[in-house]
Amino acid sequence: GEDVEQSLFLSVREGDSSVINCTYTDSSSTYLYWYKQEPGAGLQLLTYIFSNMDMKQDQRLTVLLNKKDKHLSLRIADTQTGDSAIYFCAEGQNNAGNMLTFGGGTRLMVKP
Amino acid sequence: DTEVTQTPKHLVMGMTNKKSLKCEQHMGHRAMYWYKQKAKKPPELMFVYSYEKLSINESVPSRFSPECPNSSLLNLHLHALQPEDSALYLCASSQTANNSPLHFGNGTRLTVT
Repeated sequence: GEDVEQSLFLSVREGDSSVINCTYTDSSSTYLYWYKQEPGAGLQLLTYIFSNMDMKQDQRLTVLLNKKDKHLSLRIADTQTGDSAIYFCAEGQNNAGNMLTFGGGTRLMVKP
Repeated sequence: DTEVTQTPKHLVMGMTNKKSLKCEQHMGHRAMYWYKQKAKKPPELMFVYSYEKLSINESVPSRFSPECPNSSLLNLHLHALQPEDSALYLCASSQTANNSPLHFGNGTRLTVT
């Protein structure tokens, strides 16, 4: 079955860049997503990338996709304390149901 | 702010109670979802509705009963729950049930006593 892996924890200083990594196993994934979850809240869709793209940039966020290595990363430039949250990587399948397979989430802590 | 609205935000219920969780979206999305999230875990899919018809039931126990009265509304009826059902219940919607991003609500925090 599909498997999505993320490291559990990342700590950075305010103003530095953060890079959150994700690996997945299913080569038939069509879209790959990054969601942010703050304490007590739902999941906020941050960005997503189609599997035939290598890179997508959206303001402070840069997504890189290495399809050969099945590796996805999210870079947050100029990380702020408000970026502290859990970040979930997810892969989507091109089938009925739009089913997502989530990674276990990476907790990002931003120190002032 | 999320465009998927869930009520109530918190719910405490006994094992003999019957309650309902509600979800609403006005983005014109035709697919809606229920997910369950335990603490420190990713969300797990429960149900998918596509064009108001149940298309996926991930082997969820019958004490959870979904309902989609129209394209904007999704309910989850709860009856005879167990303490281990305590979790954050997340509703999501997407434009269609294929290749479109899911937008999540803020969830209902359910505690079963």
